[in-house]
Amino acid sequence: EVQLVESGGGLVQPGGSLRLSCAASGFTFGNYWMTWLRQAPGKGLEGVASIKKDGSEKYYVDSVKGRVTISRDNAKNSVYLQMNNLRAEDTAVYYCAKWRGSQSEFDHWGQGTLVTVSS
Amino acid sequence: DIQMTQSPSSLSASVGDRVTITCRTSQSASIYLNWYQQKPGKAPNLLIYAASNLQSGVPSRFSGSGSGTDFTLTISSLQPEDFATYYCQQSYSAPLTFGGGTKVESK
Repeated sequence: EVQLVESGGGLVQPGGSLRLSCAASGFTFGNYWMTWLRQAPGKGLEGVASIKKDGSEKYYVDSVKGRVTISRDNAKNSVYLQMNNLRAEDTAVYYCAKWRGSQSEFDHWGQGTLVTVSS
Repeated sequence: DIQMTQSPSSLSASVGDRVTITCRTSQSASIYLNWYQQKPGKAPNLLIYAASNLQSGVPSRFSGSGSGTDFTLTISSLQPEDFATYYCQQSYSAPLTFGGGTKVESK
């Protein structure tokens, strides 16, 4: 059974940093792209960052470029999202999702971790 | 970026009703359109991929159709567990984008 378990969310002040983690199991982690998505309270879904199977390619939504870094450790079956210089508009539930890559769907999602940016 | 327009944004229906949700993309997404169901406090769940393919484990009352810029999600006979919000998402080109959602409520 595929499982994705996010952790690392919490309350942080504007300008602060957080590192989210996603632990994967139940599939061959190194064979899949991974993506972080987010959902602001009461809002829709947005892709934040994606990383290729071997970590050689990374993509970011414009609103987080320069502030967010996605990384992965295939030996630990984990993907990470380092978020710096956080803003109020980054407040959201952050999900990691398994992705086969270009022109495919997000077929499994974690339960999400809430990030709240507030003073 | 490909813009996504879902309609309606909400609808009221009864158990047993046939429900249709529409998603329109601002430019062709070919067949690369996916549908997700989300219940309150839960992560989205993939229902349909590549416009018309039923994800494993998803009941057959769900179906998808369309190509190019116009797509449809149909629930043939609404069940109590289907009251939720539904999102379309294009995977044709980056950045991957989602529709605004359709909330299906009980009449």
